[in-house]
Amino acid sequence: GENVEQHPSTLSVQEGDSAVIKCTYSDSASNYFPWYKQELGKGPQLIIDIRSNVGEKKDQRIAVTLNKTAKHFSLHITETQPEDSAVYFCAARTSGTSYGKLTFGQGTILTVHP
Amino acid sequence: DSGVTQTPKHLITATGQRVTLRCSPRSGDLSVYWYQQSLDQGLQFLIQYYNGEERAKGNILERFSAQQFPDLHSELNLSSLELGDSALYFCASSGRTSGRYTDTQYFGPGTRLTVL
Repeated sequence: GENVEQHPSTLSVQEGDSAVIKCTYSDSASNYFPWYKQELGKGPQLIIDIRSNVGEKKDQRIAVTLNKTAKHFSLHITETQPEDSAVYFCAARTSGTSYGKLTFGQGTILTVHP
Repeated sequence: DSGVTQTPKHLITATGQRVTLRCSPRSGDLSVYWYQQSLDQGLQFLIQYYNGEERAKGNILERFSAQQFPDLHSELNLSSLELGDSALYFCASSGRTSGRYTDTQYFGPGTRLTVL
């Protein structure tokens, strides 16, 4: 089955700096890659996603890039703010018989210092 | 607010007991997914239902079962509970956004299960 590796496990940045989180996946049939933000005591919240027919997607300060050949995708947050502090999860979904199953990375704890 | 609701928010019970977790998907969503989140295993897919029928199964224990009812709400039943079942259980739904089908999954706030 699909396996998703996420790095780093913790990331500490100063307010205004950029943050980058990277994920690699194992199944070349995976075609959908969402990113979720989870704050303490809350459920994961979708912040951006990308499909395999696109190489990059941007939404204000957040961008995601996908390299299908290398089977990795990254989350980029620019001009970080203290409210960006949370746990971020990447995920991958494989088309076909697994239907909607998402396989998640282990998460990155992002801390933005004011 | 994702529009997915889960009850109860917290559940404390003893080993060997049985509990039921409830999920109401976003209005119009036909698919419901259950995930377990623990410190050592991360977020793990358990099971998916689509319009009342089981669609996909993950690493769900035989002691666990789920169902989706005609009104599309879903219940996850956990029996013969063990200490290791203590975790956060999330429900997610997908199916429609602004009247258009989408496979994006929206998560509920979760149920924190503590087995003593």
